Amino acid sequence: DTEVTQTPKHLVMGMTNKKSLKCEQHMGHRAMYWYKQKAKKPPELMFVYSYEKLSINESVPSRFSPECPNSSLLNLHLHALQPEDSALYLCASSQEPTSSYNEQFFGPGTRLTVL
Amino acid sequence: DQQVKQNSPSLSVQEGRISILNCDYTNSMFDYFLWYKKYPAEGPTFLISISSIKDKNEDGRFTVFLNKSAKHLSLHIVPSQPGDSAVYFCAAIVSNAGGTSYGKLTFGQGTILTVHP
Repeated sequence: DTEVTQTPKHLVMGMTNKKSLKCEQHMGHRAMYWYKQKAKKPPELMFVYSYEKLSINESVPSRFSPECPNSSLLNLHLHALQPEDSALYLCASSQEPTSSYNEQFFGPGTRLTVL
Repeated sequence: DQQVKQNSPSLSVQEGRISILNCDYTNSMFDYFLWYKKYPAEGPTFLISISSIKDKNEDGRFTVFLNKSAKHLSLHIVPSQPGDSAVYFCAAIVSNAGGTSYGKLTFGQGTILTVHP
């Protein structure tokens, strides 16, 4: 299995809602990532998990809360988002965090719209 | 400060010809480079990579060339096919970075490739 899966594919939420994005991989990868991508822009790194521990938070607002329940799963909890948070949210994974050469494999993304 | 640059926003090529996508970088600490292809509303798909100890890596129709002294890399696709039409992102990483730089891929702005039948 060489896939990273993400659910849901699309999500529309109000500014007062609480929702979660899910990501799963079964490649035995020990590093997982959340990215945000706006239209016509490259992906922007949000969080990095290494061996289920948060290793990088790129100064992301607290209304985004990541969680890594186990080595295969990564969640992104959303609360009190703003319309400008509407974007494609991408999950990625890569092999051993200490490996020198680490291709990151991306999921299909969740298209989030905040009304 | 854009550390990875793709100066051509778009490229149009005839089917069967060669597509050459270019990428420049400024950070001399980058030692691993990747190319991703992205269709609309999908996640990026990893295509090919190259480490700084090599100057060429080939995989089927895709070849990546690295010129370290010029801090330049290019992706060659030959022959180009209509299904190759997508956005291509160049990305770079400091592979042995620790702490707050671990796993941090730096992407270029992307080049839209259109292959005409």
